[in-house]
Amino acid sequence: DAKTTQPNSMESNEEEPVHLPCNHSTISGTDYIHWYRQLPSQGPEYVIHGLTSNVNNRMASLAIAEDRKSSTLILHRATLRDAAVYYCILRDRNTGNQFYFGTGTSLTVIP
Amino acid sequence: NAGVTQTPKFRILKIGQSMTLQCTQDMNHNYMYWYRQDPGMGLKLIYYSVGAGITDKGEVPNGYNVSRSTTEDFPLRLELAAPSQTSVYFCASSYSWRTRAKNIQYFGAGTRLSVL
Repeated sequence: DAKTTQPNSMESNEEEPVHLPCNHSTISGTDYIHWYRQLPSQGPEYVIHGLTSNVNNRMASLAIAEDRKSSTLILHRATLRDAAVYYCILRDRNTGNQFYFGTGTSLTVIP
Repeated sequence: NAGVTQTPKFRILKIGQSMTLQCTQDMNHNYMYWYRQDPGMGLKLIYYSVGAGITDKGEVPNGYNVSRSTTEDFPLRLELAAPSQTSVYFCASSYSWRTRAKNIQYFGAGTRLSVL
């Protein structure tokens, strides 16, 4: 199964943009890139996903490198409520039944 | 909508006891999942189900059993509790799109289990 690599932790000032990187050098052509986040003492929640093109939704943007070996989750204006662990996950479009969570990036937002 | 509901929220078991963690969803999702999360770690898949009557093992199934008799419910059974099963357990569900990798999972709030 393709793996992802993320920094253990990052900090951001409130109301500034945050760029959360993810490396997935062994990604296959059928792998979708998913991002979930886990707020303290809660279950994970979906943030965004994409295959090849950059994606935007009300929560965030996902920028995918042209060779697809890396991606970046962009929070446009960090708020204190965005403090969470962010997980970058690959899902195979041919199976898609299993998620493999790494340890994620713990984001601290500084007021 | 209630979404994914897990009960109980907390439980302490003695070694060798058994229990069932309950999970129910009201979104008519056909896929359901059980994960465990150890302190400071990511989630690991225990079992999953693609529909009523169908279950399959995930990454860490040993020591657990599941059943799926209805679309709504997916209980997780611990038969002989061991200290290594101390963890937070999350249930999730998703709708099955034609392209399954698009499936978005919705998680419950978790059950915190301690085995002493």
